[in-house]
Amino acid sequence: NAGVTQTPKFRVLKTGQSMTLLCAQDMNHEYMYWYRQDPGMGLRLIHYSVGEGTTAKGEVPDGYNVSRLKKQNFLLGLESAAPSQTSVYFCASSYSQHTEAFFGQGTRLTVV
Amino acid sequence: GENVEQHPSTLSVQEGDSAVIKCTYSDSASNYFPWYKQELGKRPQLIIDIRSNVGEKKDQRIAVTLNKTAKHFSLHITETQPEDSAVYFCAATPSGGYQKVTFGTGTKLQVIP
Repeated sequence: NAGVTQTPKFRVLKTGQSMTLLCAQDMNHEYMYWYRQDPGMGLRLIHYSVGEGTTAKGEVPDGYNVSRLKKQNFLLGLESAAPSQTSVYFCASSYSQHTEAFFGQGTRLTVV
Repeated sequence: GENVEQHPSTLSVQEGDSAVIKCTYSDSASNYFPWYKQELGKRPQLIIDIRSNVGEKKDQRIAVTLNKTAKHFSLHITETQPEDSAVYFCAATPSGGYQKVTFGTGTKLQVIP
């Protein structure tokens, strides 16, 4: 039972490049989330999904897009990376919004 | 939307002492309050949670209290140990469908041996 798995773990991008972060969960959870973590800012919600085929904006959605074509996968896309998107990204999933969230191991992204 | 404030941002205690971290929330409809621990370089993990129909919950050395009237909740760690050193996040989720979890900004706890 892998839980929540994120790929890749590390990535360096040049400004303007694009990339996709993949999150996969094997717990049959309906809810999935993408957060970014910056020093002193805590965990800020980028986008989330309440089920297959659904997505919604969080606190800091600008510059990111997401898709949830399959229940177990939640993809986060950066179309044109900017240095301000340098951060650690965490994916999480939960059975509902009122139950424990399980986090992936994180992706450290640097945009130069 | 919900706003969660967490204090202090850093906390140093001697091993064996108690540590208290406090959070306030803005949405009176919030009814689920989890606490997560994040060790250096690792992912956040749930350590305890409380729902609005309960005023206090304990799990060994960890306890959480909730004051719905004042809209604040606190994490209490007794007999602290070096392995308690980590960043702790509180969070709140309003009731109703399709609500999202809002996290506090975190407290870095250092337990000094």
